[in-house]
Amino acid sequence: GQQLNQSPQSMFIQEGEDVSMNCTSSSIFNTWLWYKQDPGEGPVLLIALYKAGELTSNGRLTAQFGITRKDSFLNISASIPSDVGIYFCAGRASGSARQLTFGSGTQLTVLP
Amino acid sequence: DGGITQSPKYLFRKEGQNVTLSCEQNLNHDAMYWYRQDPGQGLRLIYYSQIVNDFQKGDIAEGYSVSREKKESFPLTVTSAQKNPTAFYLCASSRGLAGINTGELFFGEGSRLTVL
Repeated sequence: GQQLNQSPQSMFIQEGEDVSMNCTSSSIFNTWLWYKQDPGEGPVLLIALYKAGELTSNGRLTAQFGITRKDSFLNISASIPSDVGIYFCAGRASGSARQLTFGSGTQLTVLP
Repeated sequence: DGGITQSPKYLFRKEGQNVTLSCEQNLNHDAMYWYRQDPGQGLRLIYYSQIVNDFQKGDIAEGYSVSREKKESFPLTVTSAQKNPTAFYLCASSRGLAGINTGELFFGEGSRLTVL
């Protein structure tokens, strides 16, 4: 199946700092999604990307669909305590069974 | 409000017992999915269903079974054949597998299964 590498695995940052995380795939993807999961809850969709080069924002979050179609980035600006959680990327490869492949997640901790 | 409801949220099971996790959605979505989540790992697909009375195995279907008798419901049975069933199980749905926007999954709140 498709391989999807997400990094970093975990991050500890100070409140107010910006955060960046990324995912790379071994296949060309036609969809990239970014989710956030709070402890003990299901993931919630943050941003969806459908075109190479696409840059989309949702409040303090910005995500980009890489032009190679094999990577995506998520940036969080001016982090706040409620940003704590696990962030997952997910992608769907062209010509596949059209199921999503998930990254292993980035655990974000925001220190006061 | 529309959404996905999973139950129970917590479940304890003795070894050798089957257990069924419930998933109901009122979003009128065609496709439904079951994922397993283990600490430090991404979500792994167990089973999915594109339409009523049809379902396909995902990447880790061994030891699990599903049914899709109604559009709204997609229960998952964890059988005694599943060697390591303790995990967090997530149900999701989407509008369908065809079309540009159907990659967006909406998740339930999860069910945590612990085998004693």
